[in-house]
Amino acid sequence: GENVEQHPSTLSVQEGDSAVIKCTYSDSASNYFPWYKQELGKRPQLIIDIRSNVGEKKDQRIAVTLNKTAKHFSLHITETQPEDSAVYFCAASITRGADGLTFGKGTHLIIQP
Amino acid sequence: EADIYQTPRYLVIGTGKKITLECSQTMGHDKMYWYQQDPGMELHLIHYSYGVNSTEKGDLSSESTVSRIRTEHFPLTLESARPSHTSQYLCASSDPTGRNEKLFFGSGTQLSVL
Repeated sequence: GENVEQHPSTLSVQEGDSAVIKCTYSDSASNYFPWYKQELGKRPQLIIDIRSNVGEKKDQRIAVTLNKTAKHFSLHITETQPEDSAVYFCAASITRGADGLTFGKGTHLIIQP
Repeated sequence: EADIYQTPRYLVIGTGKKITLECSQTMGHDKMYWYQQDPGMELHLIHYSYGVNSTEKGDLSSESTVSRIRTEHFPLTLESARPSHTSQYLCASSDPTGRNEKLFFGSGTQLSVL
């Protein structure tokens, strides 16, 4: 089955700096890669996703890049703000269905004031 | 407002008790899921359902059971709770429209078994 590795497990950045979280996946058939954000004590929420036929996708301060050859994808957050502090989960799926998702172990992003 | 609701939010019980965690969604979604998550840790899929009378086991083996008698309701039951069941349980549903299925999560039930 699919295996998703996520790094780092904890990331601390100064407010205003950029943050990058990286994930690798094992199944070359995976074609859908969402990112979920979970603030402390809250429910996970989808923040951005990308399909395998696209190399990069951007939404305001967040962007996701995908390298199919190397089987890795990354989340980039620019101009970080205190509200970006959360746990971020990457995931991969060989279908477009949520039941096929394999999640990474999560990255605790801490924004230092 | 369309949402996914979980009750109770917190539950503390003794070993051996039977419990049911409730999950209801008013979003009209067919697919529903149960995830187990220790605080801030990875999400493990334990059960899912494609619709009424459909239930499937997820990637993580679980002693819990689920039922899907109504589209909007997907309860999870533990027949005899043990301390190893202490965890957060997140219910979710997914929107099959569009190109990809987005997961919508409930607020979770934090279960503590003493």
